[in-house]
Amino acid sequence: DTAVSQTPKYLVTQMGNDKSIKCEQNLGHDTMYWYKQDSKKFLKIMFSYNNKELIINETVPNRFSPKSPDKAHLNLHINSLELGDSAVYFCASSQDLRAGGSGEQYFGPGTRLTVT
Amino acid sequence: RKEVEQDPGPFNVPEGATVAFNCTYSNSASQSFFWYRQDCRKEPKLLMSVYSSGNEDGRFTAQLNRASQYISLLIRDSKLSDSATYLCVVNPLSGGYNKLIFGAGTRLAVHP
Repeated sequence: DTAVSQTPKYLVTQMGNDKSIKCEQNLGHDTMYWYKQDSKKFLKIMFSYNNKELIINETVPNRFSPKSPDKAHLNLHINSLELGDSAVYFCASSQDLRAGGSGEQYFGPGTRLTVT
Repeated sequence: RKEVEQDPGPFNVPEGATVAFNCTYSNSASQSFFWYRQDCRKEPKLLMSVYSSGNEDGRFTAQLNRASQYISLLIRDSKLSDSATYLCVVNPLSGGYNKLIFGAGTRLAVHP
């Protein structure tokens, strides 16, 4: 049973296109995240949602728009894709610290985005 | 200065060796600390949390020195399956929320 799942696993697209990545978790967590891991393997947080509310928004271009329809889902829509958007995007989830969580995050398998 | 710094390695060690990874962090208010493991082309997975008193999980021992803002991971009796990138992770609890800051990772290659 997959705890955090993402679709698609691979995404190859051309510059200028718009694409979406979907994430779902069945752990009952109330906080979800999007991370970007670039070619240098550096993993950096982009967004975090707690109970469908945006709580962390790092310096990310406006072309990236997260959407959380419910606390088990967090999708990422990217407009006008650029070459520099090529990376692996990881979704993660955790239990809110205020709800007794320990801060551990569980990651999805990643979506490898290639922009040509 | 990076928020979390690690020696990138790679560390090339024979099976059975003991290897130690170090990590420093810049935010003295950080509250929780972890080591994650990432295999090639896979997602990061929690290896262990790091507690102030130090903690051990089988062959793995983690230590935290808050005064020096320093975290370590010791792997004893290395196995081939330990080959991976080890990520030092700090939670500064920004605004009371869970926000993990990852180091760039230390690569370990265990050879026969």
